[in-house]
Amino acid sequence: DTEVTQTPKHLVMGMTNKKSLKCEQHMGHRAMYWYKQKAKKPPELMFVYSYEKLSINESVPSRFSPECPNSSLLNLHLHALQPEDSALYLCASSQGAGVAYEQYFGPGTRLTVT
Amino acid sequence: GNSVTQMEGPVTLSEEAFLTINCTYTATGYPSLFWYVQYPGEGLQLLLKATKADDKGSNKGFEATYRKETTSFHLEKGSVQVSDSAVYFCALSDYGSGNTGKLIFGQGTTLQVKP
Repeated sequence: DTEVTQTPKHLVMGMTNKKSLKCEQHMGHRAMYWYKQKAKKPPELMFVYSYEKLSINESVPSRFSPECPNSSLLNLHLHALQPEDSALYLCASSQGAGVAYEQYFGPGTRLTVT
Repeated sequence: GNSVTQMEGPVTLSEEAFLTINCTYTATGYPSLFWYVQYPGEGLQLLLKATKADDKGSNKGFEATYRKETTSFHLEKGSVQVSDSAVYFCALSDYGSGNTGKLIFGQGTTLQVKP
């Protein structure tokens, strides 16, 4: 089973709201990732967790706050977002956070900020 | 720095035509190379990978060979189907990024296959 699940599938939020995106995998992977993808562009890495510890933050604004409660779960907490943050947010996981490991992606959460 | 360059699309083919999507890369070390496919409204699916020079990745009729001498990883398929219509991303992961697994993506190539 190479499935990564994400909820919700769609999310519309106002600029003053607080919401969370959730990601789950049951493949025993020890690395998890958040990406942001704008229309007709490749995904852009936001955060990497390795063994439940944040290992990369790609200079993401503090209105995005990641959390890794355990090795199977990854959350992205959203607060005071801007309309330009509207995008597809993708979660991925891999066996480890290393060069040779392929990443498996979830279906994404399509976020619209109004 | 590391980078991936893909041929610009869209690529439009008739069903059963031969497909080539070019991908070249720049890397400081010995990267792993990947092809991902994204169908409309979905996330990315791993199509194939290669981790060292001369490796050939293959899946679902798609193939790509890791060519270190030409720094290329071109995607090929002998006979495309309408269901192959999607966006294809070439990507690399390199020790130059600190062995973090960070993927560097190309810009993506849109493939449209007509019946």
